[in-house]
Amino acid sequence: DAKTTQPPSMDCAEGRAANLPCNHSTISGNEYVYWYRQIHSQGPQYIIHGLKNNETNEMASLIITEDRKSSTLILPHATLRDTAVYYCIVRVIGSGTNAGKSTFGDGTTLTVKP
Amino acid sequence: GAGVSQSPSNKVTEKGKDVELRCDPISGHTALYWYRQSLGQGLEFLIYFQGNSAPDKSGLPSDRFSAERTGGSVSTLTIQRTQQEDSAVYLCASSEMVNTEAFFGQGTRLTVV
Repeated sequence: DAKTTQPPSMDCAEGRAANLPCNHSTISGNEYVYWYRQIHSQGPQYIIHGLKNNETNEMASLIITEDRKSSTLILPHATLRDTAVYYCIVRVIGSGTNAGKSTFGDGTTLTVKP
Repeated sequence: GAGVSQSPSNKVTEKGKDVELRCDPISGHTALYWYRQSLGQGLEFLIYFQGNSAPDKSGLPSDRFSAERTGGSVSTLTIQRTQQEDSAVYLCASSEMVNTEAFFGQGTRLTVV
């Protein structure tokens, strides 16, 4: 399984863009990159995912490098409620033995400050 | 249901007892995942089910752990002869297919005393 590495913590000023990096240098061709976040004592919440193209939804944007070895989650206008642990996940797709298996990074604790 | 439902939400058990954790996925979701999260730690993948296919059990931490999914819907995670190191939050998630977003339940907090 491809492993992911993330910085343990980051700060961001309220209203500014938060850019959270993730390294997945051993990612294979059949693995998607997913981002989730977890607010204290709650179950993880899906944010966004992608294979090789940049993606955007109402919550965030995902930028994946051309070689797919790293990605960046962008929260365009961070609010205090975005304070959470953000996980970068690589998930195998398909129906093989490892299908659905997720390798989690250690997560980045994002603190949005007023 | 509206979301992934897990029961019980909290479980305190004595060391050596067996426990069974239940997960009701979102209706129609074919993929179901179990994770474990120890205090202050990230999520550890345990097992994954796709429909009625046999799961990949390689992520289960020991042979005291087992999981099944009946009829491609409800899943149970069973821990036999619980140990204190089994104390954690056990999270279940489901997704419509394997490469779509997964929705998590609120977890079962297991405490082994």
